[in-house]
Amino acid sequence: QSVLTQPPSVSAAPGQRVTISCSGTSSNIGKNYVSWYQQLPGTVPKLIIYDNNKRPSGIHDRFSGSKSGTSATLGITGLQTGDEADYYCGTWDSNLTAGYVFGTGTKVTVL
Amino acid sequence: QLQLQESGPGLVKPSETLSLTCTVAGDSIRGRTSYYWGWIRQPPGKGLEWIGTIHYSESTYYNPSLKSRATISVDTSKNQLSLRLTSVTAADTAVYYCARHHDLDEFDSWGQGSLVTVSS
Repeated sequence: QSVLTQPPSVSAAPGQRVTISCSGTSSNIGKNYVSWYQQLPGTVPKLIIYDNNKRPSGIHDRFSGSKSGTSATLGITGLQTGDEADYYCGTWDSNLTAGYVFGTGTKVTVL
Repeated sequence: QLQLQESGPGLVKPSETLSLTCTVAGDSIRGRTSYYWGWIRQPPGKGLEWIGTIHYSESTYYNPSLKSRATISVDTSKNQLSLRLTSVTAADTAVYYCARHHDLDEFDSWGQGSLVTVSS
């Protein structure tokens, strides 16, 4: 069972902006970097944000990340049909049984 | 360019052991001290679940829910990491990915995944 909570789905029209929240605790998001992964239908997850707000080479600046306290947010501006995918947040959890945790996942639909 | 490729049986019987190997190409498993290597799985139609992570020094970290059944090892001479999961059930049916776990933060490079079905 994931300890990072995301909304099951978000949707918007092409060109609009969506945000995806990722809620955690003081032992995970509150203490460690957050990453975001995009999984297009039938494909391998792909890193799109790391260290809370950094983009790997080749990731468009339409994707942005932020963190505040025990929550993180992924933003997608200028929404495109090619952005339809599942998005997962992830971070290290520094509790007694330390380990990596993924969010529950959010399906982005372009209307 | 870093490439990871999982390999292993696609079908495992219940109660038996699942074994997968991940071959790393384009970089050394020992390339940097910040390089860790992990296994993640995804049951059909469901989300991502971290299984565990290993460093070439053989420090390992496991998901508490799988720790009693999972073993991750590394063979630096072959540039490979491996996963063994014992006493499998249908609930272990999933696509299994290996990935580079940079500094125990982000998974920055993923293999194509290997579907393992647990069925008699």
